[in-house]
Amino acid sequence: DSGVTQTPKHLITATGQRVTLRCSPRSGDLSVYWYQQSLDQGLQFLIHYYNGEERAKGNILERFSAQQFPDLHSELNLSSLELGDSALYFCASSVATALGNEAFFGQGTRLTVV
Amino acid sequence: QQQVKQSPQSLIVQKGGISIINCAYENTAFDYFPWYQQFPGKGPALLIAIRPDVSEKKEGRFTISFNKSAKQFSLHIMDSQPGDSATYFCAASMRGYSTLTFGKGTMLLVSP
Repeated sequence: DSGVTQTPKHLITATGQRVTLRCSPRSGDLSVYWYQQSLDQGLQFLIHYYNGEERAKGNILERFSAQQFPDLHSELNLSSLELGDSALYFCASSVATALGNEAFFGQGTRLTVV
Repeated sequence: QQQVKQSPQSLIVQKGGISIINCAYENTAFDYFPWYQQFPGKGPALLIAIRPDVSEKKEGRFTISFNKSAKQFSLHIMDSQPGDSATYFCAASMRGYSTLTFGKGTMLLVSP
């Protein structure tokens, strides 16, 4: 168990709809990262929040948005969903080590858009 | 532009054999190179990591070899076991940036 909690585990929704994925980082970690995992693209970085502030954006669509709340949990909002948005969405938090930032991933939310 | 290229896409190794997965990167600003292991239904978990000032790092049966001049690094799994069957991802990040750039993954199957 990484200590990163994601809900829900599975989500099935229709095209055009909006969903919210939730993530709680490990206790004490201030950073939250969102990644999308698909078969053809692998793990793609979406967005990084640190202590409530957006730090970096990756390949995140304009239809997607995220925020991190004062209690450090984060939500990823996906709107106007398309079939191609079906993927696994992972949240991670990280801790700085002597080598680099070690990321801890949650178990993911599997999103299926039908 | 894919900044970390990983090969092979899939690999079948017999129990007791050596599994080798290769990665190449383009961005010379990368200075942290972790490998992640992912089992079905789980999130990726850190396996082993290396910095470019070291050419090799070993932890148990897992070894990273790093060639800075060639901008390549590889994961070797010695005495591969069926329990090692998983998807392996190489990754990289830059100093001052904590986000990871991942390779596309290698699905390893170790046959009994």
